[in-house]
Amino acid sequence: QQPVQSPQAVILREGEDAVINCSSSKALYSVHWYRQKHGEAPVFLMILLKGGEQKGHDKISASFNEKKQQSSLYLTASQLSYSGTYFCGTEEGNNDMRFGAGTRLTVKP
Amino acid sequence: DAGVIQSPRHEVTEMGQEVTLRCKPISGHDYLFWYRQTMMRGLELLIYFNNNVPIDDSGMPEDRFSAKMPNASFSTLKIQPSEPRDSAVYFCASSHKSGVSNQPQHFGDGTRLSIL
Repeated sequence: QQPVQSPQAVILREGEDAVINCSSSKALYSVHWYRQKHGEAPVFLMILLKGGEQKGHDKISASFNEKKQQSSLYLTASQLSYSGTYFCGTEEGNNDMRFGAGTRLTVKP
Repeated sequence: DAGVIQSPRHEVTEMGQEVTLRCKPISGHDYLFWYRQTMMRGLELLIYFNNNVPIDDSGMPEDRFSAKMPNASFSTLKIQPSEPRDSAVYFCASSHKSGVSNQPQHFGDGTRLSIL
């Protein structure tokens, strides 16, 4: 079951904040977040396991609400390097990852 | 430390030809995944292996697609015969599971496949 991401695209100015959401109709064991730049492979950002934890590094953080089967990725004080397509990947406990359709983030000077 | 290695990086071939994509996972990783990425369908899981054994191939689109993992350091995805709608970027990824915790998937650079 593919998770649903929103929004599909977002355009920011440098320094602005953004939130990307990921939701599933199935009970989730974990949520992964990846970023893919044009012409490159997806790169891992972080994993959140069930338990409602929040993680972050630098100015990118994420939360996971297992009861609502939702995760959100928070980008604070965005930088030009944050541009790319962000994917959430969800696992239902059997290790097969299903990716959302992606959110294209563009950060402009 | 070498990452996931895929070959070829680009493949252009004519409809009806056999195509073989190759992947070398990161040493020590016991899970290997094959994905297909297109604008229309996004990133789709085709099949994944655990300890060289195929676990779930429900994402393989048709019988024209097959995947093997003869040993821990090599996997192939084969399309025979190929069709123009198979054109996409194919990614291989590997990971390992530490206890109950799932570890990140490391992606190769992908194979850009064009079927004419």
